[in-house]
Amino acid sequence: AQKITQTQPGMFVQEKEAVTLDCTYDTSDPSYGLFWYKQPSSGEMIFLIYQGSYDQQNATEGRYSLNFQKARKSANLVISASQLGDSAMYFCAMRGNSGGSNYKLTFGKGTLLTVNP
Amino acid sequence: GAGVSQSPRYKVAKRGQDVALRCDPISGHVSLFWYQQALGQGPEFLTYFQNEAQLDKSGLPSDRFFAERPEGSVSTLKIQRTQQEDSAVYLCASSLNSYYEQYFGPGTRLTVT
Repeated sequence: AQKITQTQPGMFVQEKEAVTLDCTYDTSDPSYGLFWYKQPSSGEMIFLIYQGSYDQQNATEGRYSLNFQKARKSANLVISASQLGDSAMYFCAMRGNSGGSNYKLTFGKGTLLTVNP
Repeated sequence: GAGVSQSPRYKVAKRGQDVALRCDPISGHVSLFWYQQALGQGPEFLTYFQNEAQLDKSGLPSDRFFAERPEGSVSTLKIQRTQQEDSAVYLCASSLNSYYEQYFGPGTRLTVT
């Protein structure tokens, strides 16, 4: 079984500052993938970034980076230079890469990020 | 190119009615997923298709829920005799195959009164 924990129900950040959204996970799979999705008020889940458990380097995509600490089982999302359009719900998710269910995503409860002007 | 589309975007049903929710995946995507997102929660897996084959329906909450993808493209999630606890956003996602990132549609918000 897999579990994702996001302990921050809400976060506030000033425009142009950086913010870190926390995510811890638990799994018995030796190989797995970690994802972050953004969900604006329109409802669509937008894929942001992916980290494989065996990747040597932390993933980066533009202003998004994933601070992956395997020993601590954490996969925090860092957004640099926040913009007003970053205000949304952010979900951390994971997928086991082995076994018979290496396709279903398990999501956390999300963090609501508000960017203040 | 076009993303995943879902219709209707909003559906209000009286308790006991049947509903059908449609998903049009990205063209060429073999894998299709349905998730249920209750208010204030993250999405939860319902079912998975590889082409027209439903390979996993372990997340469907009851036998009132039924999903199909007869030609390996468009999928329909049907809920029979809707109950209030079925009120949620139903998200459809597709991917090139099961290993790649999943692209989500805007969801259908179902309200059962």
